Amino acid sequence: EAGVAQSPRYKIIEKRQSVAFWCNPISGHATLYWYQQILGQGPKLLIQFQNNGVVDDSQLPKDRFSAERLKGVDSTLKIQPAKLEDSAVYLCASSPYHEQKLFFGSGTQLSVL
Amino acid sequence: GNSVTQMEGPVTLSEEAFLTINCTYTATGYPSLFWYVQYPGEGLQLLLKATKADDKGSNKGFEATYRKETTSFHLEKGSVQVSDSAVYFCALDTGRRALTFGSGTRLQVQP
Repeated sequence: EAGVAQSPRYKIIEKRQSVAFWCNPISGHATLYWYQQILGQGPKLLIQFQNNGVVDDSQLPKDRFSAERLKGVDSTLKIQPAKLEDSAVYLCASSPYHEQKLFFGSGTQLSVL
Repeated sequence: GNSVTQMEGPVTLSEEAFLTINCTYTATGYPSLFWYVQYPGEGLQLLLKATKADDKGSNKGFEATYRKETTSFHLEKGSVQVSDSAVYFCALDTGRRALTFGSGTRLQVQP
């Protein structure tokens, strides 16, 4: 079974630039999550989708972050403009509708200079 | 709000030593509790879980018991191996199927 795919693996940008991350969840998984993991901290939920609808985006900094999940499958997370404090690993995860188990991708490591 | 507190690392042990990683939580209602593990170079993966008080989750020799009275879910293993070296995250889910994580504890096992 293919896992959660994320790209790119690494990204280095300068502050005030924009960046986008892509996630392809496990086939058939209705729920998709984006987490932010700052070095030395646990992952923090940014946004949760159920199919192509948003369930929770209460911790998403909406002035600079946006996310969409087209046709309830792939998802993109965008940051515009980036700040130094956005340097982190961005994790995508998916889960089947009736299961309390998240499957994580390997993440995208973002460095903002 | 919901939160998870883990003991700080790194925890350094010799092979075959006994492991305990402490985890306590604050949550409304009755959350499900999880341990996730991140091996070097790999993504987070579920290690074990417990969904109600007094349940014991177990996997790969690791165990954790859901203690409602002490709001704890400590991870234990009787004899660690070098291959157990990883970062361990305690997490909870209050029913929305979105996890709240602790800050993680790095375990280093020396031969």
